[in-house]
Amino acid sequence: DAGVIQSPRHEVTEMGQEVTLRCKPISGHDYLFWYRQTMMRGLELLIYFNNNVPIDDSGMPEDRFSAKMPNASFSTLKIQPSEPRDSAVYFCASSLLPGELFFGEGSRLTVL
Amino acid sequence: AQSVTQLDSQVPVFEEAPVELRCNYSSSVSVYLFWYVQYPNQGLQLLLKYLSGSTLVKGINGFEAEFNKSQTSFHLRKPSVHISDTAEYFCAVFSGGYNKLIFGAGTRLAVHP
Repeated sequence: DAGVIQSPRHEVTEMGQEVTLRCKPISGHDYLFWYRQTMMRGLELLIYFNNNVPIDDSGMPEDRFSAKMPNASFSTLKIQPSEPRDSAVYFCASSLLPGELFFGEGSRLTVL
Repeated sequence: AQSVTQLDSQVPVFEEAPVELRCNYSSSVSVYLFWYVQYPNQGLQLLLKYLSGSTLVKGINGFEAEFNKSQTSFHLRKPSVHISDTAEYFCAVFSGGYNKLIFGAGTRLAVHP
């Protein structure tokens, strides 16, 4: 299996622009997670899905952030409009068993 | 609520020396415990896990961890480290009651020649 695939690996954009991050989970995994990693705040869980349904989005910072999972093999995290404080590495992870997450390589976002 | 405390933000050690990375957790329900490792510019990968049974669990790359319920700890150990073990290590707790994995702040292990 190819593992969790994220795109883009790097994104540089200007404040106010829309950003879309993409994730393809491992086939057969029914949980999908979006995390954000920064030096200041560490790893933060933003949202997670079970069988394509959002279960807990309490970690989503504000209304500028939204996530979707239209099918079992694809998810997006969108930021609109983006701000400099959104600069971070965003990780997608999928799992089949509780707590056993498989992470993608991350999308490094820089908002100027 | 559940939480994870990693007591050391950085641990420097010489190659071939033993190392212990400390982790304490709090939870009002039974938990599963995990250690993940993150190499530079990569995602996290599972190192080892404790679900139940034997309190000493072995993982990849020669690491092991011991679950201590009375002290609510899950410390990670390796008897002899290599340069290639230089990475950030995250302790994490999962409980069915909250149904999500909570990570500690991480410990940066730096192995020097």
